[in-house]
Amino acid sequence: KQEVTQIPAALSVPEGENLVLNCSFTDSAIYNLQWFRQDPGKGLTSLLLIQSSQREQTSGRLNASLDKSSGRSTLYIAASQPGDSATYLCAVRRDYGGSQGNLIFGKGTKLSVKP
Amino acid sequence: DTEVTQTPKHLVMGMTNKKSLKCEQHMGHRAMYWYKQKAKKPPELMFVYSYEKLSINESVPSRFSPECPNSSLLNLHLHALQPEDSALYLCASSQTWSSGREQFFGPGTRLTVL
Repeated sequence: KQEVTQIPAALSVPEGENLVLNCSFTDSAIYNLQWFRQDPGKGLTSLLLIQSSQREQTSGRLNASLDKSSGRSTLYIAASQPGDSATYLCAVRRDYGGSQGNLIFGKGTKLSVKP
Repeated sequence: DTEVTQTPKHLVMGMTNKKSLKCEQHMGHRAMYWYKQKAKKPPELMFVYSYEKLSINESVPSRFSPECPNSSLLNLHLHALQPEDSALYLCASSQTWSSGREQFFGPGTRLTVL
């Protein structure tokens, strides 16, 4: 059974810091991994999608890496801003050797960026 | 346009009521999803529609009844719900189920069952 873990559960940093959020998964047979952002009481905003054949993806101040063999992904946020405060979720999609499974979510990391 | 819309934003209903949640996307996506999210928990998949046909039902109680009238619309009909069904209900869509492309989520409907 695929399990997704995100550490830390919560993180508070001063504005301007670079930071890393971690995601680990137990089964390396994944099709892709997607990072989301969720503001309180709101829906999920897709940040980055990494296919299993890729090592990293970048979008603006965000960089996500994937090491499938070790079951890890990181989301790097450069020059953090108060507007980055949100819960960040990672989700993996399992590869069943030709067919794909559902998205399996981690519990998220709640990020607070202090002005 | 990468927008998934959901109505209503908030819904309060009694246990004997019948109500419906609505989801719409105009991205030409052929896979649509319903998720349930309890407070401080990650989303949990409920249903998947692929090309307007129900392809996955994650053992959801029959008091939740999904419907996909066309490729842009997804409904979730609610009847005889329990207070523990109170949650944020999220709709999502993707290009197809097997494309491995991003899933895009709507803003959700906050449901409270009294």
